[in-house]
Amino acid sequence: AQSVSQHNHHVILSEAASLELGCNYSYGGTVNLFWYVQYPGQHLQLLLKYFSGDPLVKGIKGFEAEFIKSKFSFNLRKPSVQWSDTAEYFCAVNPSGGYQKVTFGTGTKLQVIP
Amino acid sequence: DAGVTQSPTHLIKTRGQQVTLRCSPKSGHDTVSWYQQALGQGPQFIFQYYEEEERQRGNFPDRFSGHQFPNYSSELNVNALLLGDSALYLCASSQYRGSYEQYFGPGTRLTVT
Repeated sequence: AQSVSQHNHHVILSEAASLELGCNYSYGGTVNLFWYVQYPGQHLQLLLKYFSGDPLVKGIKGFEAEFIKSKFSFNLRKPSVQWSDTAEYFCAVNPSGGYQKVTFGTGTKLQVIP
Repeated sequence: DAGVTQSPTHLIKTRGQQVTLRCSPKSGHDTVSWYQQALGQGPQFIFQYYEEEERQRGNFPDRFSGHQFPNYSSELNVNALLLGDSALYLCASSQYRGSYEQYFGPGTRLTVT
């Protein structure tokens, strides 16, 4: 069974600071990887996804993530955060090559201070 | 184009009771997955329905059951409610033969007293 670890539970940054949220997964085969975001009072929405190809994927609102297969990692980055990025971020994985269940990490709460 | 809708928004039940939650998928989607999100946790996969059959199941007891209708909408039923069943229940829809990208609804907040 697959699992996902998000090591940062709560991150506080000032506006314009750079962001990197860690995500590691455990699974023996190939996977699809996702980052979801949940803004206050809103429902989960997809930020970006990786299925195959270029390991550096770009998502909405200036976010990007890099898949490093050897490290089983899929870290989320943004060069300069804004107050509006305050939200909870979830990393998720599902095995590729067939429709399987998606496993989520426990989430990272990001608070951006103006 | 309506996204994923869920009803009701909030629900309060007593231990031992039964509850039914409903989900309508995004237009064009044929697969529905249900998740339980406890406070401070990530969503936990309950099960997934496609072509009116349960295709995948997470580590949830048989008290949790579901159904998918010909119009792709779905229900989640929970019997013999426990205090620990209090959570946000999320429905996500997708295309079975697609990119596996799931679209989430706003959730139903269930409180068991």
